[in-house]
Amino acid sequence: QKEVEQDPGPLSVPEGAIVSLNCTYSNSAFQYFMWYRQYSRKGPELLMYTYSSGNKEDGRFTAQVDKSSKYISLFIRDSQPSDSATYLCAPGAYNFNKFYFGSGTKLNVKP
Amino acid sequence: EAQVTQNPRYLITVTGKKLTVTCSQNMNHEYMSWYRQDPGLGLRQIYYSMNVEVTDKGDVPEGYKVSRKEKRNFPLILESPSPNQTSLYFCASSSGVGQPQHFGDGTRLSIL
Repeated sequence: QKEVEQDPGPLSVPEGAIVSLNCTYSNSAFQYFMWYRQYSRKGPELLMYTYSSGNKEDGRFTAQVDKSSKYISLFIRDSQPSDSATYLCAPGAYNFNKFYFGSGTKLNVKP
Repeated sequence: EAQVTQNPRYLITVTGKKLTVTCSQNMNHEYMSWYRQDPGLGLRQIYYSMNVEVTDKGDVPEGYKVSRKEKRNFPLILESPSPNQTSLYFCASSSGVGQPQHFGDGTRLSIL
């Protein structure tokens, strides 16, 4: 079983839509949860970082963590064409030396 | 500007010809790592380094070598490249485990 599972998409939505991106993980020791955004021909960049269950909001982006079901989500409100990218979830633990990533969900926001 | 710099960005080479991909960061980060990214498989960690002279295997270390002689540099060495190492490679650095990573823009390797 993979440590982190993520639907690869692609997910295509019209501009202005609410987008929901999801991951599940298997390791109950995970303590922090990151989301990275990766544009084509670029490296991933940090988008959101949270370490507790519940919601964390930053502008149009909301990260949601449910540790009891090992389920993490990223919501994008009022999606824009500039949000078109691949989104990678990255849960982990502070006492782990390694980083873990989901395989990424490709999002296309159509004008 | 804080950045991770990888070179080369693109390389086409042949089986068995040793190559090195360089990685340098200017953030004084202790933790550095190499990943390969393949369709459907996502980012997989090859090697990581917790500090100078301290390196360890990630999930897919076979066929790769690394060294960390200076804090800022973390080269990836393919001593005898094979076609199954054709991939997109990323170097990343962070201030420590559990901290957000800064990624380079990637190196696309094609091994013929």
